[in-house]
Amino acid sequence: DVKVTQSSRYLVKRTGEKVFLECVQDMDHENMFWYRQDPGLGLRLIYFSYDVKMKEKGDIPEGYSVSREKKERFSLILESASTNQTSMYLCASRPPGTGARGYTFGSGTRLTVV
Amino acid sequence: SQQGEEDPQALSIQEGENATMNCSYKTSINNLQWYRQNSGRGLVHLILIRSNEREKHSGRLRVTLDTSKKSSSLLITASRAADTASYFCAITSVNDYKLSFGAGTTVTVRA
Repeated sequence: DVKVTQSSRYLVKRTGEKVFLECVQDMDHENMFWYRQDPGLGLRLIYFSYDVKMKEKGDIPEGYSVSREKKERFSLILESASTNQTSMYLCASRPPGTGARGYTFGSGTRLTVV
Repeated sequence: SQQGEEDPQALSIQEGENATMNCSYKTSINNLQWYRQNSGRGLVHLILIRSNEREKHSGRLRVTLDTSKKSSSLLITASRAADTASYFCAITSVNDYKLSFGAGTTVTVRA
């Protein structure tokens, strides 16, 4: 089974801190995604990557950046954390192809910015 | 952008009953997927139905798709306490391979 591992289940950070959320997958998937999940809003796509060193903005990229130096690792960076970035962050990966494949999600990181 | 819209927002049923939830969307799709999320955890892929399919089964799950109405339904038969979770539909649009999710239906199965 594909595993997507997010390094932290819970994080508490201070306003203005630089925050790194790490995600690693073990099945050589090209496609990786970062979503945030908020009550009543479902999952919203922040950034995604179709290959190493490649990144594309999703629907809500403001305040975030990403890094994909190796195929298995996709990092989400909050350059200067703010309280409105308190959320559940979910990483996912998917094999290459036409999109007719399910995503594999990590367990999520619940980030609180104080 | 949020493309899938689930209905109802919440559902409470007795163990053994069937649970039905619906999803509506606005664009032309490549496929539609359903996911389950247990409290505070990541999402688990349940089933994918392509735009040229009308019905699909997987164990106790039955998914239908009506592209003329831009809607889908997920039926869970003979529900169990372990089915208590949030269920999300997600669509892949024709010209875009990213998944767009709805806000989900929260299902509670009472013992």
